Amino acid sequence: DAGITQSPRHKVTETGTPVTLRCHQTENHRYMYWYRQDPGHGLRLIHYSYGVKDTDKGEVSDGYSVSRSKTEDFLLTLESATSSQTSVYFCAISETGLAGNYNEQFFGPGTRLTVL
Amino acid sequence: DQQVKQNSPSLRVQEGRISILNCDYTNSMFDYFLWYKKYPAEGPTFLISISSIKDKNEDGRFTVFLNKSAKHLSLHIVPSQPGDSAVYFCAASGKDGSGNTGKLIFGQGTTLQVKP
Repeated sequence: DAGITQSPRHKVTETGTPVTLRCHQTENHRYMYWYRQDPGHGLRLIHYSYGVKDTDKGEVSDGYSVSRSKTEDFLLTLESATSSQTSVYFCAISETGLAGNYNEQFFGPGTRLTVL
Repeated sequence: DQQVKQNSPSLRVQEGRISILNCDYTNSMFDYFLWYKKYPAEGPTFLISISSIKDKNEDGRFTVFLNKSAKHLSLHIVPSQPGDSAVYFCAASGKDGSGNTGKLIFGQGTTLQVKP
């Protein structure tokens, strides 16, 4: 299994509070991704990173920001959580992503976030 | 706009029989397709993939078929086993409007239940 951990694994928070989810990898992969999984929607890309300090938006980026100060860590922040952000969040990594030769992504165990 | 669709939310199959999971896509620029398997409370795990230059890829009990003219792919599991019970996601990758590759677009998922 790829070395990917996510923390926390579960979190309950209140509307309007900031929340940061952490993804940590030990594979030294260049590309990292944040997805959310919701019933009827599958997995949707929030943000991704193609290197330290290099990030870009995915299809559902509104209300989220990310940071990557080290190769191994990719943080997802909800500046002011809303109930619509209640979801399961998955981090993924890959060796190549936007380089033309596609490689499969490996996923972390997920974080279940509930916003009351 | 759902570019990758799995129109069957669920599928029930008897152990030992064939399971066929279907996936349709709309973007003719997709050139790489993947299937992921997901157990409850775990992250998705890569199962099998196929490039658009092929129409079939086989790995043990799992075979993926690609029909480019119909923009349709399917995953066949033969024989099905109770341990195959999980949610299956298809995903597609290819050049988007910016010419980028590597981003995965996921279907909504199909829950497979294999009955003993």
